[in-house]
Amino acid sequence: RKEVEQDPGPFNVPEGATVAFNCTYSNSASQSFFWYRQDCRKEPKLLMSVYSSGNEDGRFTAQLNRASQYISLLIRDSKLSDSATYLCVTSNFGNEKLTFGTGTRLTIIP
Amino acid sequence: EAQVTQNPRYLITVTGKKLTVTCSQNMNHEYMSWYRQDPGLGLRQIYYSMNVEVTDKGDVPEGYKVSRKEKRNFPLILESPSPNQTSLYFCASSFEGAGEFTDTQYFGPGTRLTVL
Repeated sequence: RKEVEQDPGPFNVPEGATVAFNCTYSNSASQSFFWYRQDCRKEPKLLMSVYSSGNEDGRFTAQLNRASQYISLLIRDSKLSDSATYLCVTSNFGNEKLTFGTGTRLTIIP
Repeated sequence: EAQVTQNPRYLITVTGKKLTVTCSQNMNHEYMSWYRQDPGLGLRQIYYSMNVEVTDKGDVPEGYKVSRKEKRNFPLILESPSPNQTSLYFCASSFEGAGEFTDTQYFGPGTRLTVL
């Protein structure tokens, strides 16, 4: 079983719709959680950190459920520019061990 | 401009011919790491470095070497490349995480390596 699991998709969603991704992690020692975004053949970039209380950044909302060991990302009012692969990332302690999921591919359709 | 640079961006080589991929950052980051990305496997950590002269193995270190003689540079060395090392490689850097806190990773643009 992979340490961080994501549905690979692809998710094809019409512009303006709301889309949600989940990610599950198996290591209960995981301390920090993130969503990174990766455009085709480009480097990953931090989208947002995920805090225990949940957090929002504009159209993006991230939630963490430690009891069930999953992280979610909600994108509201999706834009064409949201088309990308979204990577779920966990960390055990500081920067030493980051574990990436394989990513969920999202395509926003006009 | 704050950035992580990698060179070369694209490389085609043959089995057994030693190569080095350079990585440099201008943000005075303590932490640097190398990843490889393969379809269906995601990003996997090869080596990481917490600071100058401090390096450690990641999940897939076999066939790779690294060194950290200066804070800004973290080259990846393939002494005898093999076809199974054909992959997309990313270098990343960040400030050292404080305690349990993990800092934002800044990635280089990637190096696409093909070993024939």
